[in-house]
Amino acid sequence: AQSVTQLGSHVSVSEGALVLLRCNYSSSVPPYLFWYVQYPNQGLQLLLKYTSAATLVKGINGFEAEFKKSETSFHLTKPSAHMSDAAEYFCAVSVGSGTYKYIFGTGTRLKVLA
Amino acid sequence: DTGVSQNPRHKITKRGQNVTFRCDPISEHNRLYWYRQTLGQGPEFLTYFQNEAQLEKSRLLSDRFSAERPKGSFSTLEIQRTEQGDSAMYLCASSPRTSGGAQSKETQYFGPGTRLLVL
Repeated sequence: AQSVTQLGSHVSVSEGALVLLRCNYSSSVPPYLFWYVQYPNQGLQLLLKYTSAATLVKGINGFEAEFKKSETSFHLTKPSAHMSDAAEYFCAVSVGSGTYKYIFGTGTRLKVLA
Repeated sequence: DTGVSQNPRHKITKRGQNVTFRCDPISEHNRLYWYRQTLGQGPEFLTYFQNEAQLEKSRLLSDRFSAERPKGSFSTLEIQRTEQGDSAMYLCASSPRTSGGAQSKETQYFGPGTRLLVL
């Protein structure tokens, strides 16, 4: 069965510093992986997705993620944090073989310090 | 493209009452999903529809929950005899039909959610 683990429920970085949010997956089939961002009292907005094309995926707002099969990871990075990046971030895996639901991680709340 | 909309945005009810939420997906999206998100957790899958057919239900969806999607357009989620444990954010998402390839790589577009508080 597919699953996602996000290490670190809270991450704090200084404005301008590197952002690294970790996501490890478990899947018996080649996975499709997604990162979403959620601002307070809002729904989820797609940042980027991996669908077996390029292993380095670039998304919106300067975020990118690299799919590493050997490490079963899909970590999210951004070179320089901005105050507006403060939000909750969710990694998700799409279940294949006829089922289209997402399995989400428990989320990582990013705090950006001035 | 106006996005996925959900109504109401907030609902406060007393234990034992029935509530109904509505989701309007992006037009021409044939797949519609319901998820539940509790505080400090990621969204959990409840059910999904392809057009008007409900194709999968999570075991989280007890017999007090029912979802419909008449005519394959908007969807409703009803909770009967609400309990305090039902307090959560209920999220709706939709995704488009693809011309080919695996459906599971399609992006799901989420609405703003309905936050339910059961007193």
